Amino acid sequence: RKEVEQDPGPFNVPEGATVAFNCTYSNSASQSFFWYRQDCRKEPKLLMSVYSSGNEDGRFTAQLNRASQYISLLIRDSKLSDSATYLCVVNTLNGGSQGNLIFGKGTKLSVKP
Amino acid sequence: GAGVSQTPSNKVTEKGKYVELRCDPISGHTALYWYRQSLGQGPEFLIYFQGTGAADDSGLPNDRFFAVRPEGSVSTLKIQRTERGDSAVYLCASSLTFVSNTGELFFGEGSRLTVL
Repeated sequence: RKEVEQDPGPFNVPEGATVAFNCTYSNSASQSFFWYRQDCRKEPKLLMSVYSSGNEDGRFTAQLNRASQYISLLIRDSKLSDSATYLCVVNTLNGGSQGNLIFGKGTKLSVKP
Repeated sequence: GAGVSQTPSNKVTEKGKYVELRCDPISGHTALYWYRQSLGQGPEFLIYFQGTGAADDSGLPNDRFFAVRPEGSVSTLKIQRTERGDSAVYLCASSLTFVSNTGELFFGEGSRLTVL
């Protein structure tokens, strides 16, 4: 089982739609959780962190369910510019180190006019 | 520029050759990471450095891969006896401190390696 699993999509939605992405992680000791965005042929960039209480940044809402080891990202009123691949990212600890970020395969979103 | 710089941006080589990929992180960033990304996949962790030392090299696939960061700034990823399966985009990233605090890695544009 992969450490971080996501539905690869693609999700094809019209402008203005609400779309949700889900992600599961296998390591129950994982500490921190994030969503990154990657545009085609570009490098990944941090979109937002994910907190246990849930957090919102404009049209984006992220939620974490530790018991189910599940992370979600909701995008409301989607724009053409939201078209990208969304990467679910988990911080794991490895031995005595602070760990590294483990990326999912990503979910591709395409917003159509 | 002030971002992470990677060279070369593209490298085409023949099977069995040796390759070096260079990363120049953001000035002042103590943590440096190497990932590789194949088409349709997410970035796969290879190794990360805190200062000059490799804090975690558990992602290096085999002993053909090696990375150094001798002065705690620039890093070089070295691949010996390249194989066609090594073809990927090699991404370097840096962060000010341990990434577990902020989750923010600043990535370079990557070095696209093609092994023929």
